[in-house]
Amino acid sequence: QTVVTQEPSLTVSPGGTVTLTCASSTGAVTSNYFPNWFQQKPGQAPRALIYSTNNKHSWTPAHFSGSLLGGKAALTLSGVQPEDEADYYCLLYYGGAQWVFGGGTKLTVL
Amino acid sequence: EVQLVESGGGLVQPGRSLRLSCATSGFTFGDDGMSWFRQAPGKGLEWVGFIRSNTHGGTTEYAASVKGRFTISRDSSKSIAYLQMNSLKTEDTAVYYCARLIMIDQRADYWGQGTLVTVSS
Repeated sequence: QTVVTQEPSLTVSPGGTVTLTCASSTGAVTSNYFPNWFQQKPGQAPRALIYSTNNKHSWTPAHFSGSLLGGKAALTLSGVQPEDEADYYCLLYYGGAQWVFGGGTKLTVL
Repeated sequence: EVQLVESGGGLVQPGRSLRLSCATSGFTFGDDGMSWFRQAPGKGLEWVGFIRSNTHGGTTEYAASVKGRFTISRDSSKSIAYLQMNSLKTEDTAVYYCARLIMIDQRADYWGQGTLVTVSS
């Protein structure tokens, strides 16, 4: 069974920079996994932030960016704002129309 | 404006069936894939299944946890996607979300607000 691993929790100060990662049990994450990143706040539906590794949606705030880093997918928040406090999930595509989510990262802005 | 609205959730006994609907607007429904996801209370997100666009045959794929019990379909005349859930188990209790999924770059961009399914006796 494929497992996608994210940091369970991270804390960042307002104005700081933080990077969330997404690793696959099958090996290095590449662009062929088409990493998606989502933000979810309590009581709300997930909101798409990044697709296909590093592409932003029209509504994605400028201070979010996606990349590949050390064999993992990564989501970097630069100049973190209090409203960025949320759960963040990555989604990887494994071919054959199979997708697997990471367990999510709870980001605290403190 | 793209909108997706799920409906059909509720309380159902184990072993029974339920059908969820995802009504869409604001895009050409037949051109895009549709996916269902779920989130158990206090847990993370889980991919449930996917139906390809009409141009890609409208075929379906499912997560192992629901394969053989859940069926996704689409009615392009109404721009609605469905999730038929049979033989429900208590572990199927979750908020179910539908989302548009563009296959060319595996982009799950627009999501509905979710509908809660509770499986309990």
